[in-house]
Amino acid sequence: GQQVMQIPQYQHVQEGEDFTTYCNSSTTLSNIQWYKQRPGGHPVFLIQLVKSGEVKKQKRLTFQFGEAKKNSSLHITATQTTDVGTYFCAGLTSKTSYDKVIFGPGTSLSVIP
Amino acid sequence: DAGVTQSPTHLIKTRGQQVTLRCSPISGHKSVSWYQQVLGQGPQFIFQYYEKEERGRGNFPDRFSARQFPNYSSELNVNALLLGDSALYLCASSFAGLAGAETQYFGPGTRLLVL
Repeated sequence: GQQVMQIPQYQHVQEGEDFTTYCNSSTTLSNIQWYKQRPGGHPVFLIQLVKSGEVKKQKRLTFQFGEAKKNSSLHITATQTTDVGTYFCAGLTSKTSYDKVIFGPGTSLSVIP
Repeated sequence: DAGVTQSPTHLIKTRGQQVTLRCSPISGHKSVSWYQQVLGQGPQFIFQYYEKEERGRGNFPDRFSARQFPNYSSELNVNALLLGDSALYLCASSFAGLAGAETQYFGPGTRLLVL
């Protein structure tokens, strides 16, 4: 069946360093979503990418969707302690319902002040 | 405006018991989805409902069932609980449940522990 993998599983960075997490799907996706979950919290939607090769920026966060629509990345520039949490990608193969959504296992980010 | 609300926040049950979890979507949202998140993993899709109709079902046994009410709130029922059902159960709402075109908003979740 369809699988979505993320690397790395954990990342510890000094405050001010950059951070990147990678998401890979075994099948071609219609779109991909990224979520952030703080410790003890719930997933919060960050962004959705739809087009092949799409790049979107949100302040210090840059999201990219691969040309083949099977991989994606999230890059954070100059991390801050507020960036701590687990970042999940969610691959979708349907545009009309969530029944085909597959979440990756997440990358847990720790930021050392 | 209030976000997605879920009740109860925490629950402890024993094996074989039954549990009902409740979710109220954001006002105006007609779609509710349920997810199971086991510790250390990403959420796994269980059900989606839109306008009281089931729109999608994930790979979960028949012990799991759900329904949506006319006011768009929803319940998730789990029968014959197993230890492996221990998890955070998340509800997410969106306006029309169109995965490719909308944002879905997660509630705080119900943390279920099965002993």
